[in-house]
Amino acid sequence: SAVISQKPSRDICQRGTSLTIQCQVDSQVTMMFWYRQQPGQSLTLIATANQGSEATYESGFVIDKFPISRPNLTFSTLTVSNMSPEDSSIYLCSVEDQDRGYYGYTFGSGTRLTVV
Amino acid sequence: GENVEQHPSTLSVQEGDSAVIKCTYSDSASNYFPWYKQELGKRPQLIIDIRSNVGEKKDQRIAVTLNKTAKHFSLHITETQPEDSAVYFCAASDNFNKFYFGSGTKLNVKP
Repeated sequence: SAVISQKPSRDICQRGTSLTIQCQVDSQVTMMFWYRQQPGQSLTLIATANQGSEATYESGFVIDKFPISRPNLTFSTLTVSNMSPEDSSIYLCSVEDQDRGYYGYTFGSGTRLTVV
Repeated sequence: GENVEQHPSTLSVQEGDSAVIKCTYSDSASNYFPWYKQELGKRPQLIIDIRSNVGEKKDQRIAVTLNKTAKHFSLHITETQPEDSAVYFCAASDNFNKFYFGSGTKLNVKP
């Protein structure tokens, strides 16, 4: 299965600042996905990032708040802009993958963000 | 869009007993249903999946069943072990590009 490196693994940030999260995959993938997991909650899709085109955002998420870059087929970044305490969450990138015959998502290890 | 509901939110069983987690979905176009296990502080990991042309699938102690007519699918874990303790998420997809996740079930297996 794909190996995804995500960094930083955690950060504590001041409100009003921005944080850029990086996601590196060990193979070329068409689409990369960014999820948010608020404490004790499920996974919510933020956006889908295709190489060479603008990211597609889900309802409730906007580009100004969560700009995404996808410069090549193995890398993507998600920026959380003008942060507030409500942005405190785990952010995960994921890619389509096959593992042991199962098709689905493989997730990165996540970035635990705390905004103070 | 798709709406996936998952029950129960928490489940506590004795080691060796079976555990069942149920999910319902709303979009009849959904045709792929994976299950993820997330241990504390770790990433979600795919443990089993089922496609809409199959009614049941097994992998050792884990099985998943699908009822397309009723739009629900379930995860069955037999002979539970303490290492099965985790949060389990179901998901549904109609095109493998967008997955809608359930709210999660925290399974606690008591030794």
